[in-house]
Amino acid sequence: AAGVIQSPRHLIKEKRETATLKCYPIPRHDTVYWYQQGPGQDPQFLISFYEKMQSDKGSIPDRFSAQQFSDYHSELNMSSLELGDSALYFCASSSKRGSANEKLFFGSGTQLSVL
Amino acid sequence: GENVEQHPSTLSVQEGDSAVIKCTYSDSASNYFPWYKQELGKRPQLIIDIRSNVGEKKDQRIAVTLNKTAKHFSLHITETQPEDSAVYFCAATRSGGSYIPTFGRGTSLIVHP
Repeated sequence: AAGVIQSPRHLIKEKRETATLKCYPIPRHDTVYWYQQGPGQDPQFLISFYEKMQSDKGSIPDRFSAQQFSDYHSELNMSSLELGDSALYFCASSSKRGSANEKLFFGSGTQLSVL
Repeated sequence: GENVEQHPSTLSVQEGDSAVIKCTYSDSASNYFPWYKQELGKRPQLIIDIRSNVGEKKDQRIAVTLNKTAKHFSLHITETQPEDSAVYFCAATRSGGSYIPTFGRGTSLIVHP
C-alpha cells in the first residue's frame, strides 16, 4: 500500500539559509500535518492543511511557511535557518472522510541538520 | 487544550517480561487514543488505538485499556521481545473536525535479551 512520501530524507544547511521540505500524502487523503521532532522529544505539531487550506497552526515559527497544492502534496518552507531548527521533520496524512478519520500515517521524515 | 502525561520515560525489562506504559489526559472530550511505536530514526507507526466507547482492546501481545472516569489509558505488552525495543508515544484527540492529536513525551522501552 502507498505510504506518505517525504523528500529529501536528509538535508544539511548552513545558518541563515533556506530549506524546502516536501510531502506527498497517501492517495485520497485530504489532510496533511507537519511535525517537528527534536532528539529525544515527542513530535511537536507545526501546521496542518485540509483540502488545500490551512486548518490548524501549532508552534510553527514565523520564519516557516507551508502550503498544500492542488495535487494535495505539501511543502514546508524554512527561512533564516537557525541551529535550533535541526530536527527530524515528519509529515503525516489522514482522511477526514470516513469513520477512521483520526488515524495519522507518518512519512519517514526529513532529517534537517543546520550547521 | 489537551495535555497528555506519559510515564515512565524509560522502561527496561527482560525478554519475556511484561511492560506497561501509562498515560493520562486532561480533556474529557477526547475520545480517540492511539499508540505509536517509533524505532530510532524512523517514523512513528500506529500500533493500536482505542475509542472512548471501549474499555479494552487487544491485538496479539499488545493491549490497551482505557478508564474514562479517571482519564487514563495504558499500553500493555506481554512476552516482550528485543524487537519491541523502541520509543512508544501515546496520544489523545477527538474524532472528526480539525482536532490535532496531542502526544505524550514518549517512553523508551528497552528489552534485554
